[in-house]
Amino acid sequence: QSALTQPASVSGSPGQSITISCTGTSSDVGDYNYVSWYQQHPGKAPKLMIYDVTKRPSGFSNRFSGSKSGNTASLTISGLQAEDEADYYCCSYAGNSTLVFGGGTKLTVL
Amino acid sequence: QVQLVQSGAEVKKPGSSVKVSCKASGGTFSSYGISWVRQAPGQGLEWMGGIIPIFGTANYAQRFQGRVTITADESTSTAYMELSSLRSEDTAVYYCARSITIFGAVANDAFDIWGQGTMVTVSS
Repeated sequence: QSALTQPASVSGSPGQSITISCTGTSSDVGDYNYVSWYQQHPGKAPKLMIYDVTKRPSGFSNRFSGSKSGNTASLTISGLQAEDEADYYCCSYAGNSTLVFGGGTKLTVL
Repeated sequence: QVQLVQSGAEVKKPGSSVKVSCKASGGTFSSYGISWVRQAPGQGLEWMGGIIPIFGTANYAQRFQGRVTITADESTSTAYMELSSLRSEDTAVYYCARSITIFGAVANDAFDIWGQGTMVTVSS
């Protein structure tokens, strides 16, 4: 199972919005609404930000939103803040009881 | 609130095996899936497999089939991941993570609670 494709890096200024893409295939992202997104700060465990394409865990900031079109899922962060600087990983169900992650995207807040 | 506490760092020789534990405290253990995700130094996340303790059957990523064994002990609320035939490329931080959905399958779900990670170093 190949990893999902994410841009290696994205950047934005405080207050701006950015979008991170996650491209898979018709066998994973395109076929299931089980896409999740994780934020990971250096040396820390990942943190769930979005699941089932668009859902946010209870109490989480609505500055983070998810969407999907065809084989590509996206994470949008609005009102960018310094603490959003981190690595972001997408993840999708890939059928046959397997799961695949994206390669990760480093977000830099300028 | 449920917490997952993992066992400590390990240094292993190539060809040997390692067994990492993940103990849950503060909530329900058996009804939620527990997956294992690893991260090599400077690299991304990789799902290895998972188990729902109350059902007892594990699912594994194809590339680890035959080399990884995931088990769970309901009496101690502890999940285990054993990786055999270790090679240098297995050097990584290994995380356990709990599925967000009760009785949900481990693979078509998300992980809302993570352990602190266990560093496994494979070196001769």
